[in-house]
Formats: sequence, C-alpha cells, structure tokens
Amino acid sequence: DAGVIQSPRHEVTEMGQEVTLRCKPISGHDYLFWYRQTMMRGLELLIYFNNNVPIDDSGMPEDRFSAKMPNASFSTLKIQPSEPRDSAVYFCASSKHPGLVENEQFFGPGTRLTVL
Amino acid sequence: SQQGEEDPQALSIQEGENATMNCSYKTSINNLQWYRQNSGRGLVHLILIRSNEREKHSGRLRVTLDTSKKSSSLLITASRAADTASYFCATGQAGTALIFGKGTTLSVSS
Repeated sequence: DAGVIQSPRHEVTEMGQEVTLRCKPISGHDYLFWYRQTMMRGLELLIYFNNNVPIDDSGMPEDRFSAKMPNASFSTLKIQPSEPRDSAVYFCASSKHPGLVENEQFFGPGTRLTVL
Repeated sequence: SQQGEEDPQALSIQEGENATMNCSYKTSINNLQWYRQNSGRGLVHLILIRSNEREKHSGRLRVTLDTSKKSSSLLITASRAADTASYFCATGQAGTALIFGKGTTLSVSS
C-alpha cells in the first residue's frame, strides 16, 4: 500500500482565500484523523471520523474550519476564509482497529500551509 | 488538552551513546505509544505498550511503563546519526483518540 496520501504538500495562499486540503487514507482503515502541528501548540487533533462519520470535532478551532469524508477513500479539510494564524503543518492519519480508536495510527507526510 | 508530557524537551548525544526519554501522563490509560518524526515528515509509529505490560523491546528500542507512577521511558541503545528526530509519546484511553505530548528533540552527532 502507498500509505496515507496528502495533497498538496505545500500551499501558500493569501489571507481570506479558501484552502482545501486532501487526504486518502490507507485502504481498509476505519478511522481517519486530522491534526494541526505548530511549534507553539504542538500536535492538535482537529477531528476524527469512524467509517466516514465524524465522531469528535471538538478540536476544530472555529467555524472557518470544516471537514468531510464523502467515502472511505477520501477526506477534505477546508478553511474558509483563511487567516495567517492558520499557518501550520496539517497531518492526516488513519487507523485500522475497529472499536479501538486508541490504537496505532499511520500518518501522511503532511501539508505545510502558509497564509500570507 | 495535553495528556503525555515528554522530558527532556531536547537531548544531544554522541553516536554510540544511549538516549533515554521520559513521558508522564495524568489519567489511566489502555496503552502508551511512541512515535518518531523526522524533520519535514509525518509521525511514524515505533512501539505500543499496553497498560498490563511493564517492558517491551523492538530492535534497539526499549520501552518501560510504570502505571503506578503514570510514566514511561523510551531507551534507544547505541544511537546513530539517523536516530536524530523528534520523539512523541501518545496515550490511548478506551474509546478516545490518542493524545500526543509535545515531544523530545533528539540530536545524535557523529
């Protein structure tokens, strides 16, 4: 398997623009997680899905952030409108343990987002 | 909220030396995991230790878990320059997603 795939790898945009990050989890994995990593705040869980259903979105910072998982092989994280404080590395991860959300995760390479 | 906290925040050693990193956490757990992150890359799972285990080995890695002290340690023996990375502990509680610490940055110089 190719592992978790994220696109784009780098994104530079201007404040106010819409940003869409994409993730393809490992085939057969039941869970998909979106994280944000910054020097100041470390690795923060934004939202996670189980079998395409959002389970916990309490980490989504505000209404400007939204995430979808229309099918088992694709998820998006959208920021609209983007702000400079959204600049971070965004990771997607997946996991394959039905009923055991607490087991090991497989991370994608991340998307480095810079909002000017 | 931060569950696991690694110590030290940064560690510099010479090749061949052992590196020890510690993780403390606050609430009861099902398992504790260690991940490595190379610069500019995603996290990679290294090892998982369950709450009923005390020690686990994987190659040059040795992990211990003391649930009475709510702490874990990761030992990397005979370190190499390629071990230079950030190391994160993550705690797993039943039914909730992993909570990651802020990591220890390890530098191994040759």
